Amino acid sequence: ETVLTQSPATLSLSPGERATLSCRASQSVGTYLGWYQQKAGQAPRLLIYDATHRATGIPARFSGSGSETDFTLTISNLEPEDFAVYYCQQRSNWPPLTFGGGTKVEIK
Amino acid sequence: QVQLVQSGAEVMQPGASVKVSCKASGYTFTTYYIHWIRQAPGQGLEWMGMINPSGDSTSHAQKFQGRVTMTRDTSTSTVYMELSSLRSEDTAVYYCAREIFSGGSNWFDPWGQGTLVTVSS
Repeated sequence: ETVLTQSPATLSLSPGERATLSCRASQSVGTYLGWYQQKAGQAPRLLIYDATHRATGIPARFSGSGSETDFTLTISNLEPEDFAVYYCQQRSNWPPLTFGGGTKVEIK
Repeated sequence: QVQLVQSGAEVMQPGASVKVSCKASGYTFTTYYIHWIRQAPGQGLEWMGMINPSGDSTSHAQKFQGRVTMTRDTSTSTVYMELSSLRSEDTAVYYCAREIFSGGSNWFDPWGQGTLVTVSS
């Protein structure tokens, strides 16, 4: 099973700042990594797939990078609605598909 | 628009089975695989398995071997997830989610609203 480790667990930032979230895989997943946003009480929403592709309707301030075992989600210029929990997910080595433990982006 | 609507919350006894439904609309039901993912209270996301609504083939995580059954009804565009031998650790919100591309992309959007299953005596 491919284990995804996200860091940091919590990121405290102010609106307008840049957020950098990390996801590390226990083995190579190529570029088969995605990112989801989950707000309290809601289902997750896909932001990025295949490491760098923004999903439909996702603003350009969200960008993904990385390959093999190290990946980054960057949110430039944080908006108030961006404070949420973010999960990475891999689809390279399955079953099972696996998710990281999440990074909470909170208001400083 | 594409929408997945799940059945309501359930409270179950340990050892019982629960069956959660997920009704799809806004697209051709048989074209996209649907997955089930659960989230225990305050915890992360855990993939359970998937079903191909076209051919009824399924795949699931080894962890749920022998306990999970995924089925579909094409006449009502509904998929079902049944989990048996429930224990307290199965208390979670259960989500269904559709793939973004047909043919097996394994990226999920949209998701259903979630179904809270509480296992308690």
